[in-house]
Amino acid sequence: DQQVKQNSPSLSVQEGRISILNCDYTNSMFDYFLWYKKYPAEGPTFLISISSIKDKNEDGRFTVFLNKSAKHLSLHIVPSQPGDSAVYFCAASANNDMRFGAGTRLTVKP
Amino acid sequence: DGGITQSPKYLFRKEGQNVTLSCEQNLNHDAMYWYRQDPGQGLRLIYYSQIVNDFQKGDIAEGYSVSREKKESFPLTVTSAQKNPTAFYLCASLSGGQRTGELFFGEGSRLTVL
Repeated sequence: DQQVKQNSPSLSVQEGRISILNCDYTNSMFDYFLWYKKYPAEGPTFLISISSIKDKNEDGRFTVFLNKSAKHLSLHIVPSQPGDSAVYFCAASANNDMRFGAGTRLTVKP
Repeated sequence: DGGITQSPKYLFRKEGQNVTLSCEQNLNHDAMYWYRQDPGQGLRLIYYSQIVNDFQKGDIAEGYSVSREKKESFPLTVTSAQKNPTAFYLCASLSGGQRTGELFFGEGSRLTVL
């Protein structure tokens, strides 16, 4: 039973445009949400996070939005750059039990 | 430099053999994790440990075993009971305080069963 779901396995956008990656979760006990970026044959690296008491967190070109009532979060990348091309994982945590989605492969075309 | 070290990076195993993957961290993190990555399935939690001498099963613990005798070390044993062990294995540790940390990952170990 997957508690964190990323329903889009891939996304392709043009350089300079906005990338929107989506994530849904089922466990209402999750209270901390994170996005990670991963390149092939490497471990994921942390990108941005949000606590359940907030609905938005911004860090440079990256913004995470949380809609608790819908159990949905999204990552916005503006403007998208070719170096952003990677697999993005959504994660959710409850008392340090951290679960991941299946990932979305983002391709940013020059 | 502080970080997480996984070894070996590549490992080949014959069917029926147990194999142990090493994970060491010098970040002074209390919690450590093991995930497995398969194509199209993201990262699935095998085991995690919040403190020394304690660990909890994740979603796919069957066929795996762990120990946490030291804060710095969290080895994962893939036993012969694991039916499909070929995968990319990732170890991580948790920064920050309770409930709000981010995971730091090692570079991974790729296990192939021949």
